[in-house]
Amino acid sequence: QAQLVQSGGGVVQPGRSLRLSCAASGFSLSGYAMHWVRQAPGKGLEWVAVISYDGSRQYYADYVKGRFTISRDNSKNTLFLQMNSLGADDTAVFYCARGWSFWGGFDIWGQGTVVIVSS
Amino acid sequence: DVQMTQSPSSLSASVGDRVTITCRATQGISNYLAWYQQKPGKVPKLVIYDATTLQSGVPSRFSGSGSGTDFTLTISSLQPEDVATYYCQKYNSAPWTFGQGTRVEIK
Repeated sequence: QAQLVQSGGGVVQPGRSLRLSCAASGFSLSGYAMHWVRQAPGKGLEWVAVISYDGSRQYYADYVKGRFTISRDNSKNTLFLQMNSLGADDTAVFYCARGWSFWGGFDIWGQGTVVIVSS
Repeated sequence: DVQMTQSPSSLSASVGDRVTITCRATQGISNYLAWYQQKPGKVPKLVIYDATTLQSGVPSRFSGSGSGTDFTLTISSLQPEDVATYYCQKYNSAPWTFGQGTRVEIK
């Protein structure tokens, strides 16, 4: 059964960094574009970033550009999100999601990981 | 960037009612549109893709229509397990923008 298992969330102080991980099982990550999506408490879904199947292309939402970096290690079947200069507005549940193609929607989602930015 | 606007923001309907949610894009996106269902405290789930195609395993009471700028998600006979927030999403170009969501409740 194809699934995504996330790790790496937690409480972090403003201005600090955090790295999220998303491990694929039941399928090979190397065949798919992968995304990060976040959801602030009580709010809607907000797309964060995408990386192509081979890591050659990345796109970011304007509000994370220059602060967040999406990457992948296909040999370890794992996706990452490096988040720097975190602020209170970054407090959210972060989801990784599989794109069925680069210009496609998301057919499998991780369980979500909570990131709380607070002093 | 293309913006996605859903209406209504919330609705309350009776079991068995036909429910319609609309999603409008500020520019044409052909049929590059998905609908997701997110039940309270749960992970989003793909319901419809390519504007009209039902995802495997999703009940046939869900259907999607539209192309270009105007899209619709319809639940033909609302069931208690359909209580959720529904989001549309475009995926023809970056960013992969979501609508603001429509919360569906049982009256």
